[in-house]
Amino acid sequence: AQRVTQPEKLLSVFKGAPVELKCNYSYSGSPELFWYVQYSRQRLQLLLRHISRESIKGFTADLNKGETSFHLKKPFAQEEDSAMYYCALHGSSNTGKLIFGQGTTLQVKP
Amino acid sequence: GAVVSQHPSRVICKSGTSVKIECRSLDFQATTMFWYRQFPKQSLMLMATSNEGSKATYEQGVEKDKFLINHASLTLSTLTVTSAHPEDSSFYICSAITGSETQYFGPGTRLLVL
Repeated sequence: AQRVTQPEKLLSVFKGAPVELKCNYSYSGSPELFWYVQYSRQRLQLLLRHISRESIKGFTADLNKGETSFHLKKPFAQEEDSAMYYCALHGSSNTGKLIFGQGTTLQVKP
Repeated sequence: GAVVSQHPSRVICKSGTSVKIECRSLDFQATTMFWYRQFPKQSLMLMATSNEGSKATYEQGVEKDKFLINHASLTLSTLTVTSAHPEDSSFYICSAITGSETQYFGPGTRLLVL
């Protein structure tokens, strides 16, 4: 079964603290993993994808096939990072279909 | 970047009526569009995959006669909620795929059925 699990509904940190949003997946083939972000009153937008191996807004995520994880990390959180974050999986046979995790609300306090 | 629009942004209707929601890709052609439903503070639930010129593919548990999808052109897909009831009240979001397979999302449509 294809599944994406984000164990934390809410993650609250102080500005400047490190952040790690957890994501684990279940997929039998070779998936493509994404992180999407939804700021307050805005549409969902792509933050990063594992094949790009890039850092966006200071965030990075590494695909760990052994642990089937794709955790999102940032060394120093900023208040403007406060948003809803979704981890998503695209399976090789899914024709573009994304499977979303439950989402984690990141709250960065001043 | 690629932009996806939805119309209307919010709609209120009486129980038993039908509501049509449009999803447009503004500056690119999308062979595939997706329709999601999002409940408050919850994740996106994929309802169906809409392919231009062919019938939509519905996810398990989604009634195809209730949620009619039409994808008549490469830039427009419509979702019609037929005989809407209060339990259909939700946030409906569409997305479209570009050639790079990146999904771009619309701003969503808030439906309230009284």
